[in-house]
Amino acid sequence: GQQLNQSPQSMFIQEGEDVSMNCTSSSIFNTWLWYKQEPGEGPVLLIALYKAGELTSNGRLTAQFGITRKDSFLNISASIPSDVGIYFCAGRDSGTYKYIFGTGTRLKVLA
Amino acid sequence: EAQVTQNPRYLITVTGKKLTVTCSQNMNHEYMSWYRQDPGLGLRQIYYSMNVEVTDKGDVPEGYKVSRKEKRNFPLILESPSPNQTSLYFCASSLSWTGDILHFGNGTRLTVT
Repeated sequence: GQQLNQSPQSMFIQEGEDVSMNCTSSSIFNTWLWYKQEPGEGPVLLIALYKAGELTSNGRLTAQFGITRKDSFLNISASIPSDVGIYFCAGRDSGTYKYIFGTGTRLKVLA
Repeated sequence: EAQVTQNPRYLITVTGKKLTVTCSQNMNHEYMSWYRQDPGLGLRQIYYSMNVEVTDKGDVPEGYKVSRKEKRNFPLILESPSPNQTSLYFCASSLSWTGDILHFGNGTRLTVT
């Protein structure tokens, strides 16, 4: 099945630093979702994006739906230790309505 | 509380011994789906259901069965598990198949020896 290219695969950052990750696809999507997954838990929705160019924030998190509808990025500002986890994107294919998932970005925050 | 509930959370079994992983949602969602998560591969769809009695194969359906007799339940059945089905499994639901947000359960970690 199709997958999204998500980068970086992992990040080690100092507390207080900003983080940026992105997803790209060869397909056009009509929805982008960003999830966070912590050990032993299911993915939890962080931000949902529905229109090209849309920029949405959730606290220290900001995500954007790319103009081409083939990419999205997630920024985390002023990271804290509890930001640790795996972040992954999901794009909904505009033709099939099927969700396709990125492989995840593993984030570690050093205090 | 609105949620997707999977059971069991952890399961160790032997090759060939039939097992069922249950999934239940209390949000009256029409769409339900099963995924497996493996390192470096992301979430891959096994089966999905657009509504009661309507199920279809996802990307990796081999070795799995599902049923949707009631709206709230969507069990995943492994008739004859094999070691390559060792994985982390997630059930998810959304309001409809065109609905936007997928809500995930907490996962079932399956080990087949």
